Amino acid sequence: GEDVEQSLFLSVREGDSSVINCTYTDSSSTYLYWYKQEPGAGLQLLTYIFSNMDMKQDQRLTVLLNKKDKHLSLRIADTQTGDSAIYFCAESSGYALNFGKGTSLLVTP
Amino acid sequence: KAGVTQTPRYLIKTRGQQVTLSCSPISGHRSVSWYQQTPGQGLQFLFEYFSETQRNKGNFPGRFSGRQFSNSRSEMNVSTLELGDSALYLCASSPPLSGGEQFFGPGTRLTVL
Repeated sequence: GEDVEQSLFLSVREGDSSVINCTYTDSSSTYLYWYKQEPGAGLQLLTYIFSNMDMKQDQRLTVLLNKKDKHLSLRIADTQTGDSAIYFCAESSGYALNFGKGTSLLVTP
Repeated sequence: KAGVTQTPRYLIKTRGQQVTLSCSPISGHRSVSWYQQTPGQGLQFLFEYFSETQRNKGNFPGRFSGRQFSNSRSEMNVSTLELGDSALYLCASSPPLSGGEQFFGPGTRLTVL
């Protein structure tokens, strides 16, 4: 399938903002998603954005979509230690989600 | 509303055996998808069921199969287990008329020795 690319690691200090980036290749993707996975757990849907939107804000989370460059980002404001996890970007091919390899976010006190 | 549940949470099997994993979707969700998660390959789509019919299938060998029951619960089966089948198997359900978002269960951790 098409590749979804993410950087593997990100380390931030508590209270700072985190920005996790993702690039995708399937221009027909209708929705793009961000999931969070904590150790030993399944995937938690954080937010998603429709492909005709540029931005979506949901409390501390802001999603930016640049459809021309096929670039998606997730900004977490006021990052807390509880935000430490792996974050996955995913595009929808209509029936299946195509995931990136995940970005491991480490929040240090 | 209860989330997606998967049983068992952990399984240890030996090569050549077969295994059945179970998934109960969120009440009202009729679409159930299965994914395999490994450190090397990441998350890969296995198959998707809707109204007891397999609608879509990923690129996995025929040893991987599944089914869905009339109450939307789903099972997946892996026969003739190989060491490489060791993975976290995740089930997800989707609400009707949704934007395609999928809600995941905690997964079943399968170890093949």
